[in-house]
Order: sequence, then C-alpha cells, then structure tokens
Amino acid sequence: DTEVTQTPKHLVMGMTNKKSLKCEQHMGHRAMYWYKQKAKKPPELMFVYSYEKLSINESVPSRFSPECPNSSLLNLHLHALQPEDSALYLCASSHMLAGGRNEQYFGPGTRLTVT
Amino acid sequence: RKEVEQDPGPFNVPEGATVAFNCTYSNSASQSFFWYRQDCRKEPKLLMSVYSSGNEDGRFTAQLNRASQYISLLIRDSKLSDSATYLCVVKEPYSSASKIIFGSGTRLSIRP
Repeated sequence: DTEVTQTPKHLVMGMTNKKSLKCEQHMGHRAMYWYKQKAKKPPELMFVYSYEKLSINESVPSRFSPECPNSSLLNLHLHALQPEDSALYLCASSHMLAGGRNEQYFGPGTRLTVT
Repeated sequence: RKEVEQDPGPFNVPEGATVAFNCTYSNSASQSFFWYRQDCRKEPKLLMSVYSSGNEDGRFTAQLNRASQYISLLIRDSKLSDSATYLCVVKEPYSSASKIIFGSGTRLSIRP
C-alpha cells in the first residue's frame, strides 16, 4: 500500500483565518515532506521532516508552520496567508534507508484558495 | 543554469508512436533519479526509478548517463492514457531525508 492521505481536499480561507492541513501515511516512512505547487509549475519543496524532526526549511515564511506529531502524521498550520499563497499543497513521504533510493509517494493534495 | 532542466514541450504525437524525453542535471554528485507523471489537477505519481544500468517497465525505458549528466525516458507504443506531464526528479546527496529537485516537466499529448 503506497497511500498518503490528505485532508481537506479543498480549503477556502480568508487572510485573517487560521487553518491546518493534515497528512497521514501508514507505510512506515520516516521522512515526510510538504510541497507547494502553482498551476503549470513543478512542486516546490517547503519542509522536510526526518524522524519527526524538521530537517529542511526552504526559507518558507513563518505564516506556514509545520508540525510532525508522530511518525505517521504531518500538519501544516496556516495563519495570515496572502492571496498569492493560493496553490495545491502536496504532502509526500519516503523511507530513509541508507543507500536506498527512497522514492517519495505523494498524497492527493489540498487545493487552497486564500481570499 | 537550472539544477534540473527539461524541455517543457508540448510533445504532440500520434497513438502508437515512440517518444523520448531528456532531462539534464547540474550536480554531478546527485544520487538518485526518478520519473514521475502528473495528470492535470492531480498529484505526481512515481513512474519509475532510474538505475545506472538502465531499466525497463513494460513500454517505458529509463536511462542514466552520468558522464553527460542526463536521464531519459522512452515511451514505446504510446497510448492515449500516456497524455500527462512527465517530471524528472533528482535527489541531492544529503545524508538525511534528501532534498529532491523537480524539473519543470514535459507535457505530452497523445492524439488518436
């Protein structure tokens, strides 16, 4: 089973709202990722968690706050977003096997609209 | 120079044709290479990993040329369902959860 689930599928929020995106996997993967994808562009890496610790932050604004409560769950907390933050937010996960290829598997994404 | 470069296309080919894409990468120490496909408004799905010796999965063949720093994807006997954007993905040599870099994607359209 290579399933990564994400909720909600769609989210519309105002610039003063606080919301959270959720991601879950049960493949035993110890690396989890958040990506942002704008239309007709490739996914852009935002954050990487390895063994529940933040290992990569690609200079993401602080209005995006990731959290990894356990090895299966990854959240992205959103606060005071801007309209340009509207995008598809993708979660992915992978193994962290030494010397392994560690392919990433993506969830279906949350389509976020900031009004 | 971009870290990972692909021809954006679109490639518009008839059903049954053979089509090939290349992808170049700039970091010679890159570890692993993948092809993903992405359908419109869907998530990327892993198509295949790319091995040093080249590998084949049905109608799809992937090759790696480390000397020239490119990977390729060949699709034989193309089907209408192969229409998608194909993303080249390169894994940087971090020690922990590696940084993964996407190419901008190549759009493929198969016509009947």
